[in-house]
Amino acid sequence: AQKVTQAQTEISVVEKEDVTLDCVYETRDTTYYLFWYKQPPSGELVFLIRRNSFDEQNEISGRYSWNFQKSTSSFNFTITASQVVDSAVYFCALIKGGYNKLIFGAGTRLAVHP
Amino acid sequence: SAVISQKPSRDICQRGTSLTIQCQVDSQVTMMFWYRQQPGQSLTLIATANQGSEATYESGFVIDKFPISRPNLTFSTLTVSNMSPEDSSIYLCSAGPGLANEQFFGPGTRLTVL
Repeated sequence: AQKVTQAQTEISVVEKEDVTLDCVYETRDTTYYLFWYKQPPSGELVFLIRRNSFDEQNEISGRYSWNFQKSTSSFNFTITASQVVDSAVYFCALIKGGYNKLIFGAGTRLAVHP
Repeated sequence: SAVISQKPSRDICQRGTSLTIQCQVDSQVTMMFWYRQQPGQSLTLIATANQGSEATYESGFVIDKFPISRPNLTFSTLTVSNMSPEDSSIYLCSAGPGLANEQFFGPGTRLTVL
């Protein structure tokens, strides 16, 4: 069975703080894809990043960075110097290789205060 | 990337009635999906909309309650039938896969059933 766990329900930070959102996944498949999506108050899901199971290289995009570690089945997301516009619900998700069904975690609500 | 629009963006309906939600993609896509997001919850896949054939439903969702159509590669509809207050949710359409195997999401339809 596949499962995605985001243990942090809500995080509250002050602007310019760094914040890490945790994601732990379970799968028996050797080929899979991991995703992060952002859901701002408007409700639309915005795709942020995809990682496949064969690529453990970490990635940085501006203030965003992702740490993928197969040894701990984790795919954590760090926002550096957070801004109020980062306030949203962030979802980690998993797709089994060869399939298209997205398995979502429960989401982490991030509130960034001025 | 694909741009997805949904109609209506929100609606308030009476118990026992039905609502049809439309999803339009700006380009031809292989896969289209319908998700439900109950208040404060994560996303749950309702079904995969198959072009020219019956949709594939996930466990807990049935065609009589959530009939789906997909007449072509850019359009799909989801009907929520015989609604009850428990059907109050955001319903999201998605399409894919993109170049990174991601799914693109529409803005969602916020449904309130009284």
